[in-house]
Amino acid sequence: RKEVEQDPGPFNVPEGATVAFNCTYSNSASQSFFWYRQDCRKEPKLLMSVYSSGNEDGRFTAQLNRASQYISLLIRDSKLSDSATYLCVVNHYFGNEKLTFGTGTRLTIIP
Amino acid sequence: EAGVTQFPSHSVIEKGQTVTLRCDPISGHDNLYWYRRVMGKEIKFLLHFVKESKQDESGMPNNRFLAERTGGTYSTLKVQPAELEDSGVYFCASSQSRADSYEQYFGPGTRLTVT
Repeated sequence: RKEVEQDPGPFNVPEGATVAFNCTYSNSASQSFFWYRQDCRKEPKLLMSVYSSGNEDGRFTAQLNRASQYISLLIRDSKLSDSATYLCVVNHYFGNEKLTFGTGTRLTIIP
Repeated sequence: EAGVTQFPSHSVIEKGQTVTLRCDPISGHDNLYWYRRVMGKEIKFLLHFVKESKQDESGMPNNRFLAERTGGTYSTLKVQPAELEDSGVYFCASSQSRADSYEQYFGPGTRLTVT
């Protein structure tokens, strides 16, 4: 079983729609959780950290459910520029340690 | 502020040859990481330097891979001899050492093709 599992998609969503991605992780001792965004042939970039209380950044909302070992990302009012691969990332410790990546979910926003 | 830089951006070599990848982290970042993505798979951790010391090299695939960070600044990752399965994108990342700021900033990657 992979440490971090994501639906690879692709998700093809019309502009303006709301889209949600889910991710599960296998190590219950995991401490830090992130969503990264990766554009085609580019490097991953941190989109947002995910906190137990849930957090929001503009049109993006992230949720963490430790009991179910489940992380989600919600994008509202999707824009063409949101087209990318979204990577669910887990860190087993707080602080500067290795990241464990999911395979990513590919999102395409359709005009 | 300059981001993480990697050189070369692309490398095509034959099986059995040697390749050296270079990473320059963000200035002042003590932590430097190497990751790799092979075709169709997730990005996987290779190793982690804190300054010039190897903190964790549990992800290094085998002894054909050698990473160095002399002086705690830039790092090199050498593959010798290269095999077909080494093809992929090699990412370098760096982060600060502050407990409240550990975002890892990634470089653009080196795309390695072994033929």
